[in-house]
Amino acid sequence: AQTVTQSQPEMSVQEAETVTLSCTYDTSENNYYLFWYKQPPSRQMILVIRQEAYKQQNATENRFSVNFQKAAKSFSLKISDSQLGDTAMYFCAFVSAGGTSYGKLTFGQGTILTVHP
Amino acid sequence: GEEVAQTPKHLVRGEGQKAKLYCAPIKGHSYVFWYQQVLKNEFKFLISFQNENVFDETGMPKERFSAKCLPNSPCSLEIQATKLEDSAVYFCASSPQQGMGTEAFFGQGTRLTVV
Repeated sequence: AQTVTQSQPEMSVQEAETVTLSCTYDTSENNYYLFWYKQPPSRQMILVIRQEAYKQQNATENRFSVNFQKAAKSFSLKISDSQLGDTAMYFCAFVSAGGTSYGKLTFGQGTILTVHP
Repeated sequence: GEEVAQTPKHLVRGEGQKAKLYCAPIKGHSYVFWYQQVLKNEFKFLISFQNENVFDETGMPKERFSAKCLPNSPCSLEIQATKLEDSAVYFCASSPQQGMGTEAFFGQGTRLTVV
């Protein structure tokens, strides 16, 4: 079974600064995907960024980028030029690429990020 | 449709009453997933479907929870004899078939409050 751990229950950052959210995972699989989801107070789950395990290049989406270290099973999210709208709960998630666990997300505990003006 | 539609948004039930939640996945998506998010924000996987067939039900408390995905109907999650501990937000998500990407698209959730 897979596990995902987010060791930072809460983080805060000043507007326009950079913040990094940590995530580690444990799996014996070789083919999988990792995600960061954002959950604002509206509770809608919004996909922030996605990383395929077979790709060495770190994924980037505008101000969001990841540091994917497959051997260390680490998947951190960096938010650059933080904006007030980034305030939300962030979840790291793992999903198998196939088999009977296909599509089943395993989530971390979440990190509450607050961006201060 | 282009988004996962969950109804109702809010549901209040007295302890012991039945609760039924609905989910319409994105058209063309083969997989449907149900998750329970409790007050501590932890997500718990309940069940998944591949079209109308149960794909993985390892997270389902089988005594009181049941789920269906029938052709041409929204999927449903039913809780018989609700308990206080069932109070949570229930999310439905859908994904395309295997080999076409594994991104899950989430609905807005149904908040169930058992009083």
